[in-house]
Amino acid sequence: GAVVSQHPSWVICKSGTSVKIECRSLDFQATTMFWYRQFPKQSLMLMATSNEGSKATYEQGVEKDKFLINHASLTLSTLTVTSAHPEDSSFYICSARDPLAGIYEQYFGPGTRLTVT
Amino acid sequence: DAKTTQPPSMDCAEGRAANLPCNHSTISGNEYVYWYRQIHSQGPQYIIHGLKNNETNEMASLIITEDRKSSTLILPHATLRDTAVYYCIVQNQGGKLIFGQGTELSVKP
Repeated sequence: GAVVSQHPSWVICKSGTSVKIECRSLDFQATTMFWYRQFPKQSLMLMATSNEGSKATYEQGVEKDKFLINHASLTLSTLTVTSAHPEDSSFYICSARDPLAGIYEQYFGPGTRLTVT
Repeated sequence: DAKTTQPPSMDCAEGRAANLPCNHSTISGNEYVYWYRQIHSQGPQYIIHGLKNNETNEMASLIITEDRKSSTLILPHATLRDTAVYYCIVQNQGGKLIFGQGTELSVKP
């Protein structure tokens, strides 16, 4: 089956610094990728939709200047949390759509746990 | 976006069938029902999806009512490794997956 990886799997950063999370589709080309955030004991919240070669579309209430998304190739999307603060500590998960598997199929990465101190 | 309603938690004995219900009364005619599960601290795992007909794969069966207002995910022989949060999602026209609160299934020995 289709595999999506994320790097790093966990990261600790100091308040005020920026951190980049990578999402890769390993065995397929993903024209569309999605970024989610999940706080403890809560469900996944969709943050943005990323299409290769174009600007990301952010969900209402998500600050696009704080969460920078780049989808420069068909196998890589990155999420950069800028000027991170403790309240940004969360589990960040990406998913990728394999167009050859049907437009509705999404495959999820293992997630990245961000802790801001 | 069509909303789904699931019980917050369920228990199931190991080896027995687990039947997880989902209500989606506002579903539109061309919207699919998807089921994913999330084991603690991992990314969600795709289980199955359907439109109108019942579906079965190596993991589970999906039973969709004739009026499409509800569905049931069936794990035929639950194991301890099936303990997870199960999400029933109606995928909207843009292909987004909007997660609800899901059902926390505990499979007990």
